[in-house]
Amino acid sequence: AQSVTQLGSHVSVSEGALVLLRCNYSSSVPPYLFWYVQYPNQGLQLLLKYTTGATLVKGINGFEAEFKKSETSFHLTKPSAHMSDAAEYFCAAHTGTASKLTFGTGTRLQVTL
Amino acid sequence: AAGVIQSPRHLIKEKRETATLKCYPIPRHDTVYWYQQGPGQDPQFLISFYEKMQSDKGSIPDRFSAQQFSDYHSELNMSSLELGDSALYFCASSLGRHWADETNTEAFFGQGTRLTVV
Repeated sequence: AQSVTQLGSHVSVSEGALVLLRCNYSSSVPPYLFWYVQYPNQGLQLLLKYTTGATLVKGINGFEAEFKKSETSFHLTKPSAHMSDAAEYFCAAHTGTASKLTFGTGTRLQVTL
Repeated sequence: AAGVIQSPRHLIKEKRETATLKCYPIPRHDTVYWYQQGPGQDPQFLISFYEKMQSDKGSIPDRFSAQQFSDYHSELNMSSLELGDSALYFCASSLGRHWADETNTEAFFGQGTRLTVV
């Protein structure tokens, strides 16, 4: 069975500071990996995805993530946080053998002045 | 660009009532997925359809049923509603099965229907 683990349900950073949201997966086969952002009362918006190829993936709004197979990780980073980044972030995966996405429990990012 | 449309956006029902949620996928998308997100929870996969046939099933209660119609829109029917069914219900669509073609490995989500059961 596949699972996705996000370490830290809440992360608080100062505006301008580095954002690091952690995601680890467990899968018997290399998965496809995604990061979604959810603003209050909004749907899920795709930030970036990893399928194959380059392990460093760049997404929208200055976010990027690196797939590290040896660490089974897909951490999300942004060099400089902005107030507008405050939202819930979900890491998700699927292995390609089923159509469903498996989501992590989410990390709420708070950005302070 | 056209996105996934869900209706209604908000719905309030009483216990034991029925509810129907509708999802209109992005034009030409042939795959629809339904997810349930409880308060403070991560989205949980319910069911998916590809070319009007059920393609995968998750933690969907027997009280719920869904189908995809000839125009590819989908409806989630929920009967004998319980307080615990209160949640945000997301629909997503993709072109082709999520896994069949690596260029199509993206599902686009609607804004969700917030169901409140009182």
